[in-house]
Amino acid sequence: DAKTTQPNSMESNEEEPVHLPCNHSTISGTDYIHWYRQLPSQGPEYVIHGLTSNVNNRMASLAIAEDRKSSTLILHRATLRDAAVYYCILRANAGGTSYGKLTFGQGTILTVHP
Amino acid sequence: NAGVMQNPRHLVRRRGQEARLRCSPMKGHSHVYWYRQLPEEGLKFMVYLQKENIIDESGMPKERFSAEFPKEGPSILRIQQVVRGDSAAYFCASSPVQGSNQPQHFGDGTRLSIL
Repeated sequence: DAKTTQPNSMESNEEEPVHLPCNHSTISGTDYIHWYRQLPSQGPEYVIHGLTSNVNNRMASLAIAEDRKSSTLILHRATLRDAAVYYCILRANAGGTSYGKLTFGQGTILTVHP
Repeated sequence: NAGVMQNPRHLVRRRGQEARLRCSPMKGHSHVYWYRQLPEEGLKFMVYLQKENIIDESGMPKERFSAEFPKEGPSILRIQQVVRGDSAAYFCASSPVQGSNQPQHFGDGTRLSIL
C-alpha cells in the first residue's frame, strides 16, 4: 500500500479553521484518499474521501493537490468535539483482496483549545 | 438506522480462557472487517469477511485467532487460550459493498483485558 505522512500533532483554537496536511508522494493513479478520525474511547469515524477533485460534505472539505501527491483536510470551524486523531489513508482500487482493508498510520492528534 | 453494534463493550478473561467478540454490521451490510488496536499503537487490520466467506485474513495471527460471519447472525472473532498480549481494543467495521471508494462504518469496539 502507498504510504502517507502526517504531522504527529496540531493545535487549534475553537471556532477557527483547521488545515490538516497529508503527503502521499507514491500514490498511484487509481488510489482513493480517505480521511477517518478517532475520538477518545470510540471507533474510527469516516470523514471524507476523494480521488482527484476537491470534495465537500457536512463534516469537512478535502483539498487534493493537482499532482495528487498531497491533500489537506479542512475543518472550517473547529469545535471541542473535533479533538481527535485524524488518519489519512490511501485505498487501492479494486483488483485484489487487499483493497478491502484500511491501513492506518499514526495519524495527527488534533487538540482544540477553548 | 442502528450503527455497527459490538458486544460486549468490555471483556475480561484470564489467561488460557477463550474470548468471543461479536459484531452486528449495519443493516444491509454484507462486508465485515476486524481491526485491533494494541495499547499505544495504531489500528491494524486483521480480517475481512463477506457473508460466510473469509476474503482476506492477512492480518490474523496464525494461531488461536479465528473469525466467521455466518449467513444468519453476527460476525464472531474468537480468540482461544488468551494471553496477556491479546489485551487490546478490537473494532469491527462494515460496508454495504466493496470498493476503494466505499467508507467503512465502525463500531465502538470491544476492550479485551487479560488478567
